[in-house]
Amino acid sequence: GNSVTQMEGPVTLSEEAFLTINCTYTATGYPSLFWYVQYPGEGLQLLLKATKADDKGSNKGFEATYRKETTSFHLEKGSVQVSDSAVYFCALTLMDSNYQLIWGAGTKLIIKP
Amino acid sequence: KAGVTQTPRYLIKTRGQQVTLSCSPISGHRSVSWYQQTPGQGLQFLFEYFSETQRNKGNFPGRFSGRQFSNSRSEMNVSTLELGDSALYLCASSQMTGTGGTDTQYFGPGTRLTVL
Repeated sequence: GNSVTQMEGPVTLSEEAFLTINCTYTATGYPSLFWYVQYPGEGLQLLLKATKADDKGSNKGFEATYRKETTSFHLEKGSVQVSDSAVYFCALTLMDSNYQLIWGAGTKLIIKP
Repeated sequence: KAGVTQTPRYLIKTRGQQVTLSCSPISGHRSVSWYQQTPGQGLQFLFEYFSETQRNKGNFPGRFSGRQFSNSRSEMNVSTLELGDSALYLCASSQMTGTGGTDTQYFGPGTRLTVL
């Protein structure tokens, strides 16, 4: 079946550290890949997306590259801030899925000043 | 443009009651999806509506139902509430430019349902 696996959290980093959150997927067909972020007490916000192999999504200093050969979509940021503390979700959809997002378990990120 | 709005934001019910949650999509968005978020199960897809028709349904019991109106607003209903239905219920809307593989879903803030 289709699934998304994320690294378990929480991930605790100091401000200005480099961030990587791993995400791998299993899918029948060619998925589109997404990273969403959920700040405390809020809903989900799209962070970035990529719809085909080798695409790079980027937003707010975060980047992720769609790697078909390794079925991965790792999230990276060069220098994190305290305000980046949140839960990050990797997700996929498939062309015929009628908008069903398949989610990873989420990774809680804690940034210490 | 206004974002996705959900009402109410918080709800407390007792076992056996029923509840209706409402979602207003972004103007011009025709697809509305619902998700349940719990600490144990994470995010799970409930159903998706387009043009007042349910096109896709997740693996939830029949106590969970929904509908969409002609103005794209959507409601979901949970009957005979159980303690395990306590969750954050999220609504998302999409413009639906294709079959759903590439379109972005925009989420509302959610309705926090507590069942006592």
